[in-house]
Amino acid sequence: QSVLTQPPSVSAAPGQKVTISCSGSSSNIGNYFVSWYQQVPGRAPKLLIYEDDKRPSGIPDRFSASKSGTSATLGITGLQTGDEADYYCGTWDTSLREFFFGTGTEVTVL
Amino acid sequence: QVQLVQSGAEVKKPGASVKVSCKASGYPFTSYDINWVRQATGQGLEWLGWMNPISFNTGYAQKFQGRVTMTMDTSIGTAYMDLSSLRSDDTAVYYCARGNSGLGRDYYFDSWGQGTLVTVSS
Repeated sequence: QSVLTQPPSVSAAPGQKVTISCSGSSSNIGNYFVSWYQQVPGRAPKLLIYEDDKRPSGIPDRFSASKSGTSATLGITGLQTGDEADYYCGTWDTSLREFFFGTGTEVTVL
Repeated sequence: QVQLVQSGAEVKKPGASVKVSCKASGYPFTSYDINWVRQATGQGLEWLGWMNPISFNTGYAQKFQGRVTMTMDTSIGTAYMDLSSLRSDDTAVYYCARGNSGLGRDYYFDSWGQGTLVTVSS
């Protein structure tokens, strides 16, 4: 049972934009940096965003993220078929002293 | 480049134990924690715990307390995750992941192993 809630799925046409929300509380998102992970089916997850809004080397600027209070958001612009994957937010919970991933969101390119 | 290479698939009977290894290369092994994450088929990511390669301190998710043991052999840059009293719902892909932190109140996983499928079946 995750403490971070994401929508199960989002979809859009190629070239369009999608946003994925990640809702938590003051003991996790409100108190710790958020990271985002992309997981293509059958593959290991890959770091997409760290420290709320930073992209690792090699991640295109079509991927962006932000945080406000106890919620975080991942945005993908210029959607491509290669973006079809599951996306997870993640952060530490200071009360439970555990790391949590969000419930995950499947992105479909129509 | 950073690489985490895990051991191969395992099939275990209920009640048995499994030990998965994760060999790191491409960076100083003692500079980063190793975490373990699992994923059952069709399900989300679930964090099991972490281990620090300098202090050998560990932190386990409450759900796995008493069943999981994480160890390391720093001489060969390898981390291990041992899960005991296996049940059918432990069937999952188990990943090791390098833990990174920068600015305080900051923790994320910047490199992942390829995953190890553990099947628990009688």
